[in-house]
Amino acid sequence: DTAVSQTPKYLVTQMGNDKSIKCEQNLGHDTMYWYKQDSKKFLKIMFSYNNKELIINETVPNRFSPKSPDKAHLNLHINSLELGDSAVYFCASSQGAGANQPQHFGDGTRLSIL
Amino acid sequence: RKEVEQDPGPFNVPEGATVAFNCTYSNSASQSFFWYRQDCRKEPKLLMSVYSSGNEDGRFTAQLNRASQYISLLIRDSKLSDSATYLCVVTLDTGRRALTFGSGTRLQVQP
Repeated sequence: DTAVSQTPKYLVTQMGNDKSIKCEQNLGHDTMYWYKQDSKKFLKIMFSYNNKELIINETVPNRFSPKSPDKAHLNLHINSLELGDSAVYFCASSQGAGANQPQHFGDGTRLSIL
Repeated sequence: RKEVEQDPGPFNVPEGATVAFNCTYSNSASQSFFWYRQDCRKEPKLLMSVYSSGNEDGRFTAQLNRASQYISLLIRDSKLSDSATYLCVVTLDTGRRALTFGSGTRLQVQP
């Protein structure tokens, strides 16, 4: 059973298109995240939701819009895709009020913009 | 200055060697510390949490020095399967629970 699952695993599309990535976790966690890993392999937080409420919104272009229909799902919609959006996007989840809670990652969505 | 800094490596070591990685963090208010492991084209996975008293899990030992703001990971008796990128991770803000990642240190264990 996959704990954190993302779809699609690979996404190849043209500049200017709009696309969505979906994430679901079956761990019963209350917090979910989106991270971006660029070509230099640097992982950076984009968004975080706790019980469907946005709690972190880093400096990300407003073309990126997260949506959390319930605490088990966090989707990411991207408008007007640009070349610089090419990266691996990881969803993650965690449980607990403390900062010491480890996060469980999905296996990533590899987005390539042509 | 980056919030979390690591030597990118690669560290090329023979099987059976002992290897150590260090990581420094800039924010003295950092709360929690972890080592994650990421295999090529895979997701990061938690290797171990790091506690002030130091902690050990089999061949892996992690230590935290709050005064000097650095974290270390020691791997004894390296195996081929230890080849991966090791990510130093801290949480910077109690209420936010987001992880701040270092850029990772690549380890290649050779036969």
